[in-house]
Amino acid sequence: DAKTTQPPSMDCAEGRAANLPCNHSTISGNEYVYWYRQIHSQGPQYIIHGLKNNETNEMASLIITEDRKSSTLILPHATLRDTAVYYCIVRLSLHDMRFGAGTRLTVKP
Amino acid sequence: NAGVTQTPKFRVLKTGQSMTLLCAQDMNHEYMYWYRQDPGMGLRLIHYSVGEGTTAKGEVPDGYNVSRLKKQNFLLGLESAAPSQTSVYFCASSYGLWTGELFFGEGSRLTVL
Repeated sequence: DAKTTQPPSMDCAEGRAANLPCNHSTISGNEYVYWYRQIHSQGPQYIIHGLKNNETNEMASLIITEDRKSSTLILPHATLRDTAVYYCIVRLSLHDMRFGAGTRLTVKP
Repeated sequence: NAGVTQTPKFRVLKTGQSMTLLCAQDMNHEYMYWYRQDPGMGLRLIHYSVGEGTTAKGEVPDGYNVSRLKKQNFLLGLESAAPSQTSVYFCASSYGLWTGELFFGEGSRLTVL
């Protein structure tokens, strides 16, 4: 099972892009990269996922390197409400989702 | 559209007592999951269900039982609560199993004294 490595914490200025890195060097060819976030003590919220290609939705963009060994979640214009713990998960199926410690992103005014 | 609803949201138990957490979803999802989250840690999967009448063990199943008698409900039971089961419990559901989105409830905070 692929493991992920994320920095424990990051800061970002409000209105600027937040770039959250994730290393997953042991990812296998059919494992997806998922990103979730957890605001305060609420239930985690799905952000985006991808397999090989870069993905974009209304919340964020996901950039996956060509060798798939790392990825970056981009919040294009961070707001104070984006302050949360962000989880990068690499998994084959939804019943194997393992949430690690994640990255605590703090958006500052 | 309520999504995923958990009851109760807070509960205090004494060691040895039993209780059941209820998770209800109104999205007609086949798959449902129970996680626990301890302070400063990520979520760990307890049990999951791939359909009505079926359940399976996750990463940390010991001390818990589950049932999925109706498609929309997934129950998590503690037969004899222990202090180590003090945690925040999250239920989730999904439409697909291989890819897609997990929809989470707001959590149930359980304290075992």
